[in-house]
Amino acid sequence: EPEVTQTPSHQVTQMGQEVILRCVPISNHLYFYWYRQILGQKVEFLVSFYNNEISEKSEIFDDQFSVERPDGSNFTLKIRSTKLEDSAMYFCASSLEGVGYGYTFGSGTRLTVV
Amino acid sequence: DAKTTQPPSMDCAEGRAANLPCNHSTISGNEYVYWYRQIHSQGPQYIIHGLKNNETNEMASLIITEDRKSSTLILPHATLRDTALYYCIVNEQAGTALIFGKGTTLSVSS
Repeated sequence: EPEVTQTPSHQVTQMGQEVILRCVPISNHLYFYWYRQILGQKVEFLVSFYNNEISEKSEIFDDQFSVERPDGSNFTLKIRSTKLEDSAMYFCASSLEGVGYGYTFGSGTRLTVV
Repeated sequence: DAKTTQPPSMDCAEGRAANLPCNHSTISGNEYVYWYRQIHSQGPQYIIHGLKNNETNEMASLIITEDRKSSTLILPHATLRDTALYYCIVNEQAGTALIFGKGTTLSVSS
């Protein structure tokens, strides 16, 4: 079964450092998403991406965050200057276009900011 | 905010059917009902979705009331591996944000 692959599985970074989280969505999917989950809290939407541009973003997704699809297979989330409160699980997801399709999530990257 | 209401927790004996309810009284005509589950800290896993009709796949069945204001996810023969956090989400189309609520923690015991 096709999977969404995320790397690394765990990243530790110092406060103020830039971090890039990487994802390989399912190859024929056209929509890509980032979500995050702070420990013990709900899964929160960050951003959706379609046709090489952001289609929707939440208020969490401020200027510190950016997304990119640098080539035909990778989808990245960059956090420019990490804060302690950015520590969370970050999930990438992808979906087909249209109605009535489920989103496939990756297994996540656990980001720890120290 | 999530447009669905679910009980915080439910218990089920292994081998029995688990029936997880969800209220979505403000659902609009174009919105589908989706169910996902999350085991420990893994990524949410898609289970099933429906618009009006009842749906069944290899994992579960989805029963949607005629007025579409509520639904029930049925795991026909729950196993210990079905212990997870189950989310009911209404969503219109791909590309839009899935808004996760607090979900229902299902505990299956032997």
